[in-house]
Amino acid sequence: NAGVTQTPKFQVLKTGQSMTLQCAQDMNHNSMYWYRQDPGMGLRLIYYSASEGTTDKGEVPNGYNVSRLNKREFSLRLESAAPSQTSVYFCASRITSGGSYSYNEQFFGPGTRLTVL
Amino acid sequence: GDSVTQMEGPVTLSEEAFLTINCTYTATGYPSLFWYVQYPGEGLQLLLKATKADDKGSNKGFEATYRKETTSFHLEKGSVQVSDSAVYFCALSVHTGNQFYFGTGTSLTVIP
Repeated sequence: NAGVTQTPKFQVLKTGQSMTLQCAQDMNHNSMYWYRQDPGMGLRLIYYSASEGTTDKGEVPNGYNVSRLNKREFSLRLESAAPSQTSVYFCASRITSGGSYSYNEQFFGPGTRLTVL
Repeated sequence: GDSVTQMEGPVTLSEEAFLTINCTYTATGYPSLFWYVQYPGEGLQLLLKATKADDKGSNKGFEATYRKETTSFHLEKGSVQVSDSAVYFCALSVHTGNQFYFGTGTSLTVIP
C-alpha cells in the first residue's frame, strides 16, 4: 500500500499561472481532504469530499477548485495563482462511512511545496 | 463551534527531559481526540488517539489522557530524545460531520 500520494512534490509558479495538484489514495477511503499549512497558522481546510461526486468548501476555499475524479483521486486546481497561495499543501483521506466513525484517523500525503512568485 | 487550543511554541528541551504539550478542546457532544506528529519535510502521521473519556492513548513513549472534566488531552513523554524533534498537532473529530479540527501546532526541538 502506497497510502496517500501527492504530485508534484515541489512547484514554482508565476503570478497568474494555473496548475493542478494531484492526490490519490489506495486505502478505499470514502472521504478526502485538501489542507494548506502556513507558518503559525496550523492546518487550514480548503475543500473536502465525502464521496465520489460530492465536494464541500472548507475554511479557505477562495482561489481554488477541486475535482473528485473517482474514489481514489481528488485534485486541487489553482486557476490563477497569487503569491498569497504560496504554502505547503496536504491531501488526506479517511473512512467516514459505516456507522460511528469519529474515532477514525486521517491519513496524510507527503505534501506539495508551492511557491508563487 | 468545535475547536482545539494547544500550547504555543517553540519548545526547546535537553535530551532526557520531561515533555508536556498542553491541549484543550471545545466540542459539541463527545469527540475523539488525536495527536499527530510532523517530522521536517514530511506529512502528518498519527501518534496516538483516544475515543472516550478517561481513555489513555500511548505510542513510542508518548501518552495522553482524555479528560472530559477539564476538556484536555495533554501530550507527555518522560524522557525525550533528539529524534523527537518535530511539530506536534492536537486534533479532534466529532460524531456529526466529516471534519477534523486541528490546533496550530507546537514545534519541539530536543538538544543533545
